Amino acid sequence: DQQVKQNSPSLRVQEGRISILNCDYTNSMFDYFLWYKKYPAEGPTFLISISSIKDKNEDGRFTVFLNKSAKHLSLHIVPSQPGDSAVYFCAASARSGNTPLVFGKGTRLSVIA
Amino acid sequence: GAVVSQHPSRVICKSGTSVKIECRSLDFQATTMFWYRQFPKKSLMLMATSNEGSKATYEQGVEKDKFLINHASLTLSTLTVTSAHPEDSSFYICSARAGGVSGYTFGSGTRLTVV
Repeated sequence: DQQVKQNSPSLRVQEGRISILNCDYTNSMFDYFLWYKKYPAEGPTFLISISSIKDKNEDGRFTVFLNKSAKHLSLHIVPSQPGDSAVYFCAASARSGNTPLVFGKGTRLSVIA
Repeated sequence: GAVVSQHPSRVICKSGTSVKIECRSLDFQATTMFWYRQFPKKSLMLMATSNEGSKATYEQGVEKDKFLINHASLTLSTLTVTSAHPEDSSFYICSARAGGVSGYTFGSGTRLTVV
């Protein structure tokens, strides 16, 4: 049973346009959500996070939106750049205690010049 | 920021041999480390939670006798793949809680190939 779902395995976006990556979760105990960027044969690189007490967090070109009632979050990248091409993982945790992250399967973003 | 150093980055071993992967937390103490495994084009799957000074907690389906975890100090956790088989070939990543905005820091990963 996958608790964190990224239903789009891949996404192609033109440079300069907006990239929207989606993520759904099922565990209502999750209260902290993160997005990671990953290149092959490297560890994940943290991008942005959001606590369940918020519905939006913005950091430069990256914005994460959280809809708790729908158990849905999304990562918006605008404007998209070719260097953004990578696999993006959504992750979630229940921050009470030292709990591990639960990852989605990832979405491969390709930004085309 | 907090850094987790993972070694080796890449290892090739023969079937039946054992391989040790080390993860060190630099500049912070990690009472807990998490070990993940990633198959090609798949998600990062949690294998086990490593607790300093106590036994690791393994996820369902992960053989604890095959994947030995030792967390003898607050800065070092090791994963030993014993009697490796080709199906153990994968990308292994460790992670530790380090506080800060992200709270989680990842090692750079180890690509294990068993031939």
